[in-house]
Order: sequence, then C-alpha cells, then structure tokens
Amino acid sequence: GAGVSQTPSNKVTEKGKYVELRCDPISGHTALYWYRQSLGQGPEFLIYFQGTGAADDSGLPNDRFFAVRPEGSVSTLKIQRTERGDSAVYLCASRGSGEETQYFGPGTRLLVL
Amino acid sequence: SQQGEEDPQALSIQEGENATMNCSYKTSINNLQWYRQNSGRGLVHLILIRSNEREKHSGRLRVTLDTSKKSSSLLITASRAADTASYFCATESNSGYSTLTFGKGTMLLVSP
Repeated sequence: GAGVSQTPSNKVTEKGKYVELRCDPISGHTALYWYRQSLGQGPEFLIYFQGTGAADDSGLPNDRFFAVRPEGSVSTLKIQRTERGDSAVYLCASRGSGEETQYFGPGTRLLVL
Repeated sequence: SQQGEEDPQALSIQEGENATMNCSYKTSINNLQWYRQNSGRGLVHLILIRSNEREKHSGRLRVTLDTSKKSSSLLITASRAADTASYFCATESNSGYSTLTFGKGTMLLVSP
C-alpha cells in the first residue's frame, strides 16, 4: 500500500507563529515516530506513539513542541511560538506490530524567518 | 543526542569502485540499521543487522557488526552514480522503547 505521507512538504513561517505538521502513517501501523533533522546532521528523535498514547516524549526539546495522535492513525506535530532554531526537516516514521523496520515519510522542511 | 559517528564524513569514488562506511556507537543495542537519504529528504531503509549477527548481505550491500567494538561497516560493491546519497547508521537500543538513534551520516559521491 501507500507509504508514509507528510504535509506540507515545505512550510515557511515567521518567528513567533504557530505551525502544525501532519503525518499519515502506513495503514495499520500502530507505532509512529517523529524525528527532527538539522542541516548536516542525522535525524534526532522527538516523540514516539504506540496507538493513541505518547509512549516516549523525551526527545521534545521544550514545551513549545507538542504532538497528538487522537485516533491512533494520523499524527500532528504542533510547534508554538516558533523560533529560527526550529528550522529543520521534520521526519515521521511508522512501524507495524512485530516489525523491526521503521518506514519514513518524505519529511516537512520548516523554515522560520 | 546522537549516538553514532559515521566515518568518513564524506567519500568520493568512481563508478565501479567499492565504498566502505563505518559507524561507531556507544550503548548496548538490539539492532543496527543503515538508511540512505537523497537530497535531505525521506530516509530509505537499506538493511538491518541484529545484535547477535556478525554479517549480513543484501544485493550489493554487505554489513558487518562488531558488538565488542561497538562498530559496524557498510560496504557497497560495484558502486553506481545512482548510489550518490547520504548514508546513516541508526541503532535501536535494548531499552524497550524502539526509537532509533542516528549518526551524522556519510555523504557518498559516485562519479561516472
């Protein structure tokens, strides 16, 4: 079936604004992950959902970042009062039950001016 | 924080040559995975090696794992221009949370 999709592909916003990034995982995948990748770096873990609940949110950098997955499928990453340092590619991945591989979406490139 | 360190940071070779990338990590792992990324966007899973495995092959890819040295290598044989990309190793710890910890990556350039 279809892979992981993320919208928008690109987002340009101004410092201080609020943004929402969306992730549609592979159908039936119970685990969903958000990562952030800064230029020249590898992805860094933000938050992990198992079903509807956040099983591990230890990677969220501060309380401006929040993510939800209300029905255990689509997830939204929300960033309040954006800062220029939030500029990065935000990657989403999903994993099926019993599988070892995480499947990544194409990412959302966020630019905060 | 990033656990892995890839070596080299950048590698430039000619088509047909082999490319070897190395990865070191710090904590105990369940498995180690290699991903490929084109143009800074989505990651494509290449191969996974479990902590009790020492070597694995997939097509032109060969991965080794040395848990005593906490290191892994990825060998791409008979490289092609289309292999040009960034390659990342990622470890899944045995803490039970199944999140991945990535290295900084190796940028591979294969010239025709």
